[in-house]
Amino acid sequence: QKEVEQNSGPLSVPEGAIASLNCTYSDRGSQSFFWYRQYSGKSPELIMSIYSNGDKEDGRFTAQLNKASQYVSLLIRDSPPSDSATYLCAVNSNAGKSTFGDGTTLTVKP
Amino acid sequence: DTAVSQTPKYLVTQMGNDKSIKCEQNLGHDTMYWYKQDSKKFLKIMFSYNNKELIINETVPNRFSPKSPDKAHLNLHINSLELGDSAVYFCASSQGIGIQPQHFGDGTRLSIL
Repeated sequence: QKEVEQNSGPLSVPEGAIASLNCTYSDRGSQSFFWYRQYSGKSPELIMSIYSNGDKEDGRFTAQLNKASQYVSLLIRDSPPSDSATYLCAVNSNAGKSTFGDGTTLTVKP
Repeated sequence: DTAVSQTPKYLVTQMGNDKSIKCEQNLGHDTMYWYKQDSKKFLKIMFSYNNKELIINETVPNRFSPKSPDKAHLNLHINSLELGDSAVYFCASSQGIGIQPQHFGDGTRLSIL
């Protein structure tokens, strides 16, 4: 089992729709959870961080964390074509190790 | 101002050569990282340093040797380059260990001929 697994892509949604990205992790001691966006040929950039169970909203993005189920998700609302990118889930252990999922490629079609 | 800067941006060299990649951050962070992203886009941690001390060393061949002269710099030296070393190498930094998110440099694309 991979330490961090993301739903297999690619994911395609029409412009203005909601995109749902999912991530599960194996280390129950994980404390910090992040979503990064990576455009082709660019570096990962942070979108959201979440540390406690529940929802966290920031503009069009909502992160959800359920530590009991070892699950973290990202919802993107009103997606424009510029949201087309690879989304990486990252889980940090207390020892400082960041483990990234393999990424989910999202395409938003005009 | 660039927060995490890496040089060079591109590196094309022949198998067997030795090369270095430099990284500097001006964010005042105390933790720095090296990642390798291969052609399948998998991002894997290689090393992590906190206040110049090595804290993470993930099953990386000993041809790869990181050096941190101070907490704002983390360089990566690679000996006897192999074809499989072709990838994009990202430097990143964060404040503290394990809690705060990471800020990434623009990456160094290494191509081995």
